[in-house]
Amino acid sequence: AQSVTQLDSQVPVFEEAPVELRCNYSSSVSVYLFWYVQYPNQGLQLLLKYLSGSTLVKGINGFEAEFNKSQTSFHLRKPSVHISDTAEYFCAVSEWRDDKIIFGKGTRLHILP
Amino acid sequence: DGGITQSPKYLFRKEGQNVTLSCEQNLNHDAMYWYRQDPGQGLRLIYYSQIVNDFQKGDIAEGYSVSREKKESFPLTVTSAQKNPTAFYLCASSPPPGLAGPASSTDTQYFGPGTRLTVL
Repeated sequence: AQSVTQLDSQVPVFEEAPVELRCNYSSSVSVYLFWYVQYPNQGLQLLLKYLSGSTLVKGINGFEAEFNKSQTSFHLRKPSVHISDTAEYFCAVSEWRDDKIIFGKGTRLHILP
Repeated sequence: DGGITQSPKYLFRKEGQNVTLSCEQNLNHDAMYWYRQDPGQGLRLIYYSQIVNDFQKGDIAEGYSVSREKKESFPLTVTSAQKNPTAFYLCASSPPPGLAGPASSTDTQYFGPGTRLTVL
């Protein structure tokens, strides 16, 4: 069965600094990978997803992620964060032809002034 | 505008009472999902439905019930059997996976704004 591990529960970073949020997954079959963002007291919004093709995926709000099959990772990056990026970020995985998505436990991004 | 609505946004319940959370979508999606979110726990799947009049248990279905009488609606009832119901509840919907897997941009799950349930 697939699983997702987000290695950091909280990540503090100064405004305008780069950030990387780490995500590793386990699965025995082909997977599809997602990053979602959740602002306080709101639902989740899709940032980006990897289905196939290029391993570097660009999303909204300047975020990108790289699929690394050998390391079973899908880390999220942004070269320069803004205070508005303060939120919780969820990595998720879905196996091919599965009807469910498995979510990680989330990483809270704190932007420091 | 297409989207998913959940109501109410905040809900208070006395112990021993059943309560029903509403989820409606006008995206014409076949699949709908209910998740429970607790601090530090991520999202845990309660129930999901791929088609009208059919639904499956997720990882934490005990103490919950659902119905899917219409494509647009997937209400969740939190029963008195749920021992710790205080949480944030999220509803989502998506088109079903295609034969080649979720290879189209519409196969993502779309989330409602959530309902925060507090048991007094």
